[in-house]
Amino acid sequence: RKEVEQDPGPFNVPEGATVAFNCTYSNSASQSFFWYRQDCRKEPKLLMSVYSSGNEDGRFTAQLNRASQYISLLIRDSKLSDSATYLCVVPHRSNDYKLSFGAGTTVTVRA
Amino acid sequence: DTEVTQTPKHLVMGMTNKKSLKCEQHMGHRAMYWYKQKAKKPPELMFVYSYEKLSINESVPSRFSPECPNSSLLNLHLHALQPEDSALYLCASSQETGANTEAFFGQGTRLTVV
Repeated sequence: RKEVEQDPGPFNVPEGATVAFNCTYSNSASQSFFWYRQDCRKEPKLLMSVYSSGNEDGRFTAQLNRASQYISLLIRDSKLSDSATYLCVVPHRSNDYKLSFGAGTTVTVRA
Repeated sequence: DTEVTQTPKHLVMGMTNKKSLKCEQHMGHRAMYWYKQKAKKPPELMFVYSYEKLSINESVPSRFSPECPNSSLLNLHLHALQPEDSALYLCASSQETGANTEAFFGQGTRLTVV
């Protein structure tokens, strides 16, 4: 099983819509989870850190389900500028110096 | 301010050239990382430095040689690269290594080997 798995998408949504997608992880001992967004040909930028059951920052909500080992990201009231690839990142099972990246979920918000 | 600065932004080099990528952060972070990213793939870890000491080398070929001159600087020396080494090279830093520390990325160096 891969360390981190994500639905690659793409998720094509109209402006103003809500979009949500999941990330499953194999490291059951992980205490921290991160969502990064990456625009085309740019660096990943930290969007949100999750250390407990979830986190909310404006239109973005992350929910952690430890029993099923997945974390979701929900974007409300989508903006055109939310179009990006969203990377789920979890500390590696064998060495938490290492971060395991999911392959990313592509979101495209259309006008 | 969460800023990691990488230079150069773009680099084209021949297979016999020697070049260096540079990374700098002034956030007092004690862990620094090199990642390689190919198109439409997630970043792949290459090296981790913790307190200026190399703590992880992900079996990277010796044509890539990292160096950490001090706690703010990280270099990646390149020699005799192959065309398949063309990629986006990302530097990152975090306050510490360990599970609960967030990593911040520089803008990357887009490397083309010809």
